[in-house]
Amino acid sequence: TQLLEQSPQFLSIQEGENLTVYCNSSSVFSSLQWYRQEPGEGPVLLVTVVTGGEVKKLKRLTFQFGDARKDSSLHITAAQPGDTGLYLCAGAGTASKLTFGTGTRLQVTL
Amino acid sequence: GAVVSQHPSRVICKSGTSVKIECRSLDFQATTMFWYRQFPKQSLMLMATSNEGSKATYEQGVEKDKFLINHASLTLSTLTVTSAHPEDSSFYICSAPSEGQETQYFGPGTRLLVL
Repeated sequence: TQLLEQSPQFLSIQEGENLTVYCNSSSVFSSLQWYRQEPGEGPVLLVTVVTGGEVKKLKRLTFQFGDARKDSSLHITAAQPGDTGLYLCAGAGTASKLTFGTGTRLQVTL
Repeated sequence: GAVVSQHPSRVICKSGTSVKIECRSLDFQATTMFWYRQFPKQSLMLMATSNEGSKATYEQGVEKDKFLINHASLTLSTLTVTSAHPEDSSFYICSAPSEGQETQYFGPGTRLLVL
């Protein structure tokens, strides 16, 4: 079973702070996706990274895929309360199957 | 963008009864759909892959006789939790990959509470 470990599991920060979430695996994935999920809702796709070493930016969010395509990171600059949620990485395997990471719960307070 | 819906959004049932959850792709066809279960404060765990016109593929540890999956058309998959027990209470989410893409579209989830 492929496992994707995320760290930290939980993060509580104040508005304006920066943070980084890590997603690590011993397996290689064809692509890796990051999602954000709010309570009582399905996850919403933020980004897909495909190429080893790839960096993608989405406003204040920067996503990086490791050179070996086994790990990824999500960096948020100047966090805002609206960034609060559960962040999930997911590795894509065969037949569109996704393996989700253990999740990082982020809370941003005023 | 592509939309996936689920019905019902939440359901409460008595222990021992069966509950059916529907997952529909609204503007695209999906030969494959995925069913996940999410317990409070945990990540999504894949339960099974629903295949249109053939049997579902279940992940290790998921009882196929308890979680019946039917994918009768290219836009609808159903998950039936049979003889539900309180430990089956969870958030059930489906997803469908858009044909030809690696992008998956997730439904809004169904919260099941078994009393």
